[in-house]
Amino acid sequence: QQQVKQSPQSLIVQKGGISIINCAYENTAFDYFPWYQQFPGKGPALLIAIRPDVSEKKEGRFTISFNKSAKQFSLHIMDSQPGDSATYFCAASTAGGYNKLIFGAGTRLAVHP
Amino acid sequence: NAGVMQNPRHLVRRRGQEARLRCSPMKGHSHVYWYRQLPEEGLKFMVYLQKENIIDESGMPKERFSAEFPKEGPSILRIQQVVRGDSAAYFCASSPQTGEYEQYFGPGTRLTVT
Repeated sequence: QQQVKQSPQSLIVQKGGISIINCAYENTAFDYFPWYQQFPGKGPALLIAIRPDVSEKKEGRFTISFNKSAKQFSLHIMDSQPGDSATYFCAASTAGGYNKLIFGAGTRLAVHP
Repeated sequence: NAGVMQNPRHLVRRRGQEARLRCSPMKGHSHVYWYRQLPEEGLKFMVYLQKENIIDESGMPKERFSAEFPKEGPSILRIQQVVRGDSAAYFCASSPQTGEYEQYFGPGTRLTVT
């Protein structure tokens, strides 16, 4: 019940295309859903996060879509660029207490020129 | 405004030795989380500490692993009698307080056990 399932494991997108990564969870106590970007040899960096009281949040080319009833959320990267090539992790936590993040397994994104 | 600092960045230990990983949180942050990332896997929560207190160590292996965050100085993750399965990247993150505040991650320590 503590798991966050992420798909696909890897993704190849052409420059200018849309990258879509999906995550699903079981624990209905989760109420904070961040996405992290990680480049090789670096630590994860927060991209964007959402609370379940909204269905969508957009920051620049990055959008989170959230479906509370289905217990799913997704990251959309519009106009994907080669510089977006990285590993993306979704995560979840119960933000009411301390922020113990439960991570998905990650999606390795490659954006080809 | 320095970010989260971890050292060493790379650590090689032989089986049976001890590994000490250090994490200095961002200035003003008093909450530290440690995560472990095995190759090709996501990050797994290990332990959450506040100054001088371990709040949640539910992700820590019961033996050989310990963590501390003293009143002064960095947080330390200690692994005694390392085994090859301990080879991983260990990340710490800090936050200013509890709740949904962003966790800022350090660059990680990559531990290799030979």
